[in-house]
Amino acid sequence: QQQVKQSPQSLIVQKGGISIINCAYENTAFDYFPWYQQFPGKGPALLIAIRPDVSEKKEGRFTISFNKSAKQFSLHIMDSQPGDSATYFCAAMDSNYQLIWGAGTKLIIKP
Amino acid sequence: DAGITQSPRHKVTETGTPVTLRCHQTENHRYMYWYRQDPGHGLRLIHYSYGVKDTDKGEVSDGYSVSRSKTEDFLLTLESATSSQTSVYFCATGTSGRSDTQYFGPGTRLTVL
Repeated sequence: QQQVKQSPQSLIVQKGGISIINCAYENTAFDYFPWYQQFPGKGPALLIAIRPDVSEKKEGRFTISFNKSAKQFSLHIMDSQPGDSATYFCAAMDSNYQLIWGAGTKLIIKP
Repeated sequence: DAGITQSPRHKVTETGTPVTLRCHQTENHRYMYWYRQDPGHGLRLIHYSYGVKDTDKGEVSDGYSVSRSKTEDFLLTLESATSSQTSVYFCATGTSGRSDTQYFGPGTRLTVL
């Protein structure tokens, strides 16, 4: 199945809280899982990425958790800030080196 | 996205007219991609290029064609625009096709009436 299912569609978090966005996939041939961040009127930009041989990757306040057996991965944003308000996309790379994208999560951080 | 420009940034056209969108990069990246972005669908790959004159279809290629005659330019053509092609179109580039960061342009908002 060439799908990546992303949830929730939208998320409101208080400043300083933890934002969590989840993605699930079926195709076990997917082998690279990036997260992109998109601000209004701009193109997406790579935030953080993981390969399936590791279970977690952390870069500053952003962490990807990867569960290979469950075919799920998630983005955690610690100490969420108003500047993190954006749309977040998960994606997965298939065997043809094409990215399959989730539908996106609109994150709003309330001051 | 400083090294990737798209033109035009906005376009309104009528059903049945041909439309060409241009992507220009100064990064000398080998790979270039055209995506469309629609609410509830994320980004969907239309066509991509892995070198000058080397292109291939993506997930949603019907009704679209592409050309790449120079490393820096990748053109997307809608031969006969339809209302279902109303979307935001993004160009992206990458240095290699494999597990590689894709760098996105600012997008073109196309409305087909």
